[in-house]
Amino acid sequence: DAGVTQSPTHLIKTRGQHVTLRCSPISGHKSVSWYQQVLGQGPQFIFQYYEKEERGRGNFPDRFSARQFPNYSSELNVNALLLGDSALYLCASSLRQGNSPLHFGNGTRLTVT
Amino acid sequence: AQRVTQPEKLLSVFKGAPVELKCNYSYSGSPELFWYVQYSRQRLQLLLRHISRESIKGFTADLNKGETSFHLKKPFAQEEDSAMYYCALNAGGTSYGKLTFGQGTILTVHP
Repeated sequence: DAGVTQSPTHLIKTRGQHVTLRCSPISGHKSVSWYQQVLGQGPQFIFQYYEKEERGRGNFPDRFSARQFPNYSSELNVNALLLGDSALYLCASSLRQGNSPLHFGNGTRLTVT
Repeated sequence: AQRVTQPEKLLSVFKGAPVELKCNYSYSGSPELFWYVQYSRQRLQLLLRHISRESIKGFTADLNKGETSFHLKKPFAQEEDSAMYYCALNAGGTSYGKLTFGQGTILTVHP
């Protein structure tokens, strides 16, 4: 049983550029959430999508956006990258929107120079 | 707004000793609390959640609403328990995808 897969695993971008991170949930999981984890901190919630609709948004600027596709995979987009966007970006999937545990991917390490 | 505090960044114990990882939360409603664990070179995974009231790998955690705490305990620590532990809160409702995490505690169990 494949877990949550994220791509790429590592990424280096320059300030001002745009980045797209991808996530494939566990088969059958319809909910996908995105988290940002800065070094030394716990994960911080960015977005949740369920059945292709945004169901929750954390305290992040509009430079951050996401979407979920009919196959329940998801993309996280970040525009106009800042140095402070350097972090590990985690994707998590769950079976339903509520009352089912999150399964995390290994994350994408984004470095902005 | 909800907040989760893990006061200890680092915790070291010897094998066989009891261990307690502290977690305090701030939330006005009825929260759901979780403990997640990340072993070396592995992904973040759910350890236990308070609604299940179960013991996983010998760990237990009791939600104390009066003290707004959800401490993780194990009577006899093992070397394989060495990992990063995160306490997390869900504000309830239908969204389990939105968790508020603490900063984490690195547990080291010495032989």
